[in-house]
Amino acid sequence: DGGITQSPKYLFRKEGQNVTLSCEQNLNHDAMYWYRQDPGQGLRLIYYSQIVNDFQKGDIAEGYSVSREKKESFPLTVTSAQKNPTAFYLCASSVPGRANYGYTFGSGTRLTVV
Amino acid sequence: EDQVTQSPEALRLQEGESSSLNCSYTVSGLRGLFWYRQDPGKGPEFLFTLYSAGEEKEKERLKATLTKKESFLHITAPKPEDSATYLCAVQVRVSGSARQLTFGSGTQLTVLP
Repeated sequence: DGGITQSPKYLFRKEGQNVTLSCEQNLNHDAMYWYRQDPGQGLRLIYYSQIVNDFQKGDIAEGYSVSREKKESFPLTVTSAQKNPTAFYLCASSVPGRANYGYTFGSGTRLTVV
Repeated sequence: EDQVTQSPEALRLQEGESSSLNCSYTVSGLRGLFWYRQDPGKGPEFLFTLYSAGEEKEKERLKATLTKKESFLHITAPKPEDSATYLCAVQVRVSGSARQLTFGSGTQLTVLP
């Protein structure tokens, strides 16, 4: 079955450490997205990418970085510059030219600072 | 600035007690309104897309409606398995292949047996 795979499901980060969250999709979708979800708040866009080797900042990009070297993969790095990284991170993708479904989401990675 | 507001934040219902969730929006150029269901610790799951005022979509016990300023998700005779957070999102921009959605903060629904 096609879908989006996020790993790991749980991740712990020490102060000053960079960590990378994986997102892989086999849906052949061009566009991919990273969102952050905090309790009581809506999903907030971190970065998105429309094609390979291109990505754009979202509303809360500071302290995060991404790459898009392959169509299937869109990893997110949470850097030490992100002061409050504890959150639930969601990766999504969408189909160009077919808006009916909005996004397809992965199952998320819960990041905790220890 | 595009805004999406969902109410109530939390709703507790008895099994069989019908109710509605609200999603109000202020956006310029709505291209679609989406409803998602999210279970704890999981990613959102697509439910409905609505495009124009007056449109309605149904799926089992759920029915979504759309006006020019808000959308309702009606839940008829809910069951405990309907317990989840329901998210509303609006699509206001389409840039290349990217379709940007703005999300509300969700309504956490609990259905008691």
